[in-house]
Amino acid sequence: DTEVTQTPKHLVMGMTNKKSLKCEQHMGHRAMYWYKQKAKKPPELMFVYSYEKLSINESVPSRFSPECPNSSLLNLHLHALQPEDSALYLCASSHGDRAGTEAFFGQGTRLTVV
Amino acid sequence: AQSVSQHNHHVILSEAASLELGCNYSYGGTVNLFWYVQYPGQHLQLLLKYFSGDPLVKGIKGFEAEFIKSKFSFNLRKPSVQWSDTAEYFCAVNALTGTASKLTFGTGTRLQVTL
Repeated sequence: DTEVTQTPKHLVMGMTNKKSLKCEQHMGHRAMYWYKQKAKKPPELMFVYSYEKLSINESVPSRFSPECPNSSLLNLHLHALQPEDSALYLCASSHGDRAGTEAFFGQGTRLTVV
Repeated sequence: AQSVSQHNHHVILSEAASLELGCNYSYGGTVNLFWYVQYPGQHLQLLLKYFSGDPLVKGIKGFEAEFIKSKFSFNLRKPSVQWSDTAEYFCAVNALTGTASKLTFGTGTRLQVTL
């Protein structure tokens, strides 16, 4: 199984809503990532988890709150988002958080904030 | 901090034409280099990667790339493109930063192959 599964595929939420994005992998990877991709732009790193601990936060606003309940799961909790947060949110995983490993990406959650 | 530059933002080719997409990176240490492809409506897929060894790497679907350390380049090539190669192509560099690695993407090149 070389898949990274993200749910939901699409999400529309209001600015006062609280929602969560979920990501799951069963490849035994110990590093997991959240990226944000706006239309016609490259993915931008948001968070890195290594061995279930947050190792990189790219100065992401606190309305985005990541969580890694176990080595296979990664969540992104959303609260009080703005319309400009609408984007494709990608989850990825890799064997480790060291250089020398490739990342596998999920299909993404397309988020629209209204 | 590492950075990646892709000079071609939009490339239009006829089927069977040869392809070369430029990628230059900036980083003082050891890097790993990747090319990812994103077909319309699909997720990012790895085309090929360079970690060490032979600087000419071959990937899936007939793509190859050459790592030239002196030029900080990792250009993607394909001798004969197909209509199905129409997609967005991202060069990426993975460098160790502190105790974690960061995968940084270039701005992408949109390839359009016409029949």
